[in-house]
Amino acid sequence: GEDVEQSLFLSVREGDSSVINCTYTDSSSTYLYWYKQEPGAGLQLLTYIFSNMDMKQDQRLTVLLNKKDKHLSLRIADTQTGDSAIYFCAEMNNNAGNMLTFGGGTRLMVKP
Amino acid sequence: DAGVIQSPRHEVTEMGQEVTLRCKPISGHNSLFWYRQTMMRGLELLIYFNNNVPIDDSGMPEDRFSAKMPNASFSTLKIQPSEPRDSAVYFCASTQSGQPFSGNTIYFGEGSWLTVV
Repeated sequence: GEDVEQSLFLSVREGDSSVINCTYTDSSSTYLYWYKQEPGAGLQLLTYIFSNMDMKQDQRLTVLLNKKDKHLSLRIADTQTGDSAIYFCAEMNNNAGNMLTFGGGTRLMVKP
Repeated sequence: DAGVIQSPRHEVTEMGQEVTLRCKPISGHNSLFWYRQTMMRGLELLIYFNNNVPIDDSGMPEDRFSAKMPNASFSTLKIQPSEPRDSAVYFCASTQSGQPFSGNTIYFGEGSWLTVV
């Protein structure tokens, strides 16, 4: 079945850029998503990218997609302490229903 | 819009008791998902409904788990009898399937935090 992998942990200093990486195996992925989960809260959709795009920018967030390598990244510019959370990468294959397959999440810690 | 609404937000119950989790999807959404989140297994899809019909329940762990969607605005996930290993956060999510690119976004509720002792 599909597999989505992320590194477990990332630590950055406030004001630096953060880059969270994700790899996936399903070459038929239609959409790829980034969700944010703060402690004790649900999953908040941050951004998404369609598989025929290679980049999407939304304010401080930049998503890069390398479809050949099945690699997705989320760059957060000027990282703030409020960005500390777990970030989940997810992929959807429209041909398999609208189900999301999630990575294990990357815990981002932002130090002041 | 109020978003996906789940209840209860927190529940502590004794082993063997029945647990019912509830979800109200976003109005107009026709697909609903139940996910479970644990430290060990991360986010797992339990079951997926489209137009109130269960499409894929292969993620439901065992017969103690059942889910229903009697109408477009309500779904339940029931565990009977509950066991300590069912302790997890259960998320409900919804989307409007069949929409073009901008509409295929899945929105999550805040989760139901279940502890079985």
